[in-house]
Amino acid sequence: EVQLVESGGGLVQPGGSLRLSCVASGFTFSNYGMNWVRQAPGKGLEWVANIKYDGREKYYVASVKGRITISRDNAKNSLYLHMNSLRAEDTAVYYCARDRVPMSRSPFDYWGPGTLVTVSS
Amino acid sequence: DIQMTQSPSTLSASVGDRVTITCRASQSISGWLAWYQQKPGKAPKLLIYKASSLESGVPSRFSGSESGTEFTLTISSLQPDDFASYYCQQYNSYPETFGQGTKVEIK
Repeated sequence: EVQLVESGGGLVQPGGSLRLSCVASGFTFSNYGMNWVRQAPGKGLEWVANIKYDGREKYYVASVKGRITISRDNAKNSLYLHMNSLRAEDTAVYYCARDRVPMSRSPFDYWGPGTLVTVSS
Repeated sequence: DIQMTQSPSTLSASVGDRVTITCRASQSISGWLAWYQQKPGKAPKLLIYKASSLESGVPSRFSGSESGTEFTLTISSLQPDDFASYYCQQYNSYPETFGQGTKVEIK
């Protein structure tokens, strides 16, 4: 059974940093691209970042470029989101999600339950 | 960036109704469109991919169609479990973008 479980969320002050983790199981993690998607309270979904299966290609939404970095450790079946210079508008539930098809344009077929990040003083 | 315009934002319907949600892309996305269902406090669930392909395990009352840059999600006969929010997503190019969402409420 495919499982994704996020951790690392919490309350952080504006300008602070946080690292989110997502541990994967039930599939060959190193074969799949992975994503972070966020949802602000009461709002819609926003794709944040993608990392290809081998970590060599990464893509970001413009609003996080230069502040947020996606990475992965295939030996540990883990995905990360390193967040710096956090702003109030980064407050959201952060989901990790798997590309449905390796190495191709793909929607997201498995999602974790999410971890809440709150940026507030 | 490709903008996805989804409508309506809210839809009131009864069990058994046929429901249609529309998503329009600001430019061609070559059918690289997905639909998700999300219930409160839960992660989204993939329903449809490549505009009209039904994800495994999803009931056949859900269907998707495409006409140029306009995409439609249809629920043929609304069931109690279908009251939720629905989102379209284009995955033709980065940044991938979602529609604003449609909340399907009980009439």
